[in-house]
Amino acid sequence: SQQGEEDPQALSIQEGENATMNCSYKTSINNLQWYRQNSGRGLVHLILIRSNEREKHSGRLRVTLDTSKKSSSLLITASRAADTASYFCATDAESSASKIIFGSGTRLSIRP
Amino acid sequence: SAVISQKPSRDICQRGTSLTIQCQVDSQVTMMFWYRQQPGQSLTLIATANQGSEATYESGFVIDKFPISRPNLTFSTLTVSNMSPEDSSIYLCSVFSGSFTGELFFGEGSRLTVL
Repeated sequence: SQQGEEDPQALSIQEGENATMNCSYKTSINNLQWYRQNSGRGLVHLILIRSNEREKHSGRLRVTLDTSKKSSSLLITASRAADTASYFCATDAESSASKIIFGSGTRLSIRP
Repeated sequence: SAVISQKPSRDICQRGTSLTIQCQVDSQVTMMFWYRQQPGQSLTLIATANQGSEATYESGFVIDKFPISRPNLTFSTLTVSNMSPEDSSIYLCSVFSGSFTGELFFGEGSRLTVL
């Protein structure tokens, strides 16, 4: 079963705007990751945040993690057409760090 | 990083047949993971394949339906047996990065359509 639920399920914004996606999960974790999937392709790892971290940046990406609320957010600033893709959060489990479970995903569309 | 090659990239299959998907990694890895992505859905872990032992299957997936081989540290196969239209999905092979941080590398996936 999926560990994480994401919202919104779909998001359409104008190029140049910021996009925020949220992820909630159920069990304690060691880390949380975000992946991108372009249509019909494999997944690409974007960023990993550990359970003892609250915020992490990578280029135009900003990830936050609130372990008390079991939630995370991914912010993409100054969106570009190339950011159009599906975005998934993924978590391990404290009891099984080798098993990575994916959330339901957000389909992001950037309008030119 | 790891480079993962999957074959076939896509196939159209008849109901009741079986298809074997191959996954080749350019480096030796302990664990290989097989995921299924049904149309418009997220990824679901099918099983973890370790070299020299039987694969570990997740709830809802059984060896008779999804037999897995792991003959060495760079290769694995997943067979989808006795296929039905409900098996139409993208099947993805993945491995952890060399740093063991939990980051997964993925192949491009094998898109199966069952008629």
